Amino acid sequence: NAGVTQTPKFRVLKTGQSMTLLCAQDMNHEYMYWYRQDPGMGLRLIHYSVGEGTTAKGEVPDGYNVSRLKKQNFLLGLESAAPSQTSVYFCASSPSGRGNEQFFGPGTRLTVL
Amino acid sequence: AQRVTQPEKLLSVFKGAPVELKCNYSYSGSPELFWYVQYSRQRLQLLLRHISRESIKGFTADLNKGETSFHLKKPFAQEEDSAMYYCALRVGGATNKLIFGTGTLLAVQP
Repeated sequence: NAGVTQTPKFRVLKTGQSMTLLCAQDMNHEYMYWYRQDPGMGLRLIHYSVGEGTTAKGEVPDGYNVSRLKKQNFLLGLESAAPSQTSVYFCASSPSGRGNEQFFGPGTRLTVL
Repeated sequence: AQRVTQPEKLLSVFKGAPVELKCNYSYSGSPELFWYVQYSRQRLQLLLRHISRESIKGFTADLNKGETSFHLKKPFAQEEDSAMYYCALRVGGATNKLIFGTGTLLAVQP
């Protein structure tokens, strides 16, 4: 099993451009999450999903949209990228049920110029 | 307010020395806490959780509700323990959402 995979690994955007980050998991997990990791800030939750067709806002949702059309995929979109969105983005998934661990992807390093 | 605090950005110790990575939390409910670790060029992974009361790779962590702490300890550090360590608090009921601390980089010198 590949676990949690993220595409792409690296990306450079210009301000105002759009892009979509793809997260895929092959563990049949119900829950999926998008985080951003910034120096000195730790990981902050952007959006999450508790099942196919559902999404919810996390701690820092502004400037991002998400979709969970298929259970195994969770997409993170940036409609108009800003330099403040330069970060490393991590996707994670978790089985349903209280207290289950989250499994993380390898991350996507995004730079917005 | 829900918050996880890791006061040290960097902890540098020599091989064989004891290690204590500090974590304090603020949460009104019954806390569930985790330690995640990120080794160089690897993805973030679970190290241990307080409900399991387990020792992983020689690390232990005890939940102290009186001091609202969940410090990570190891009696004898090894070079391969060098990594970024994140303390995390489960919030949000059944969604398994986590709030992470800012992380502590552990550097074990030879």
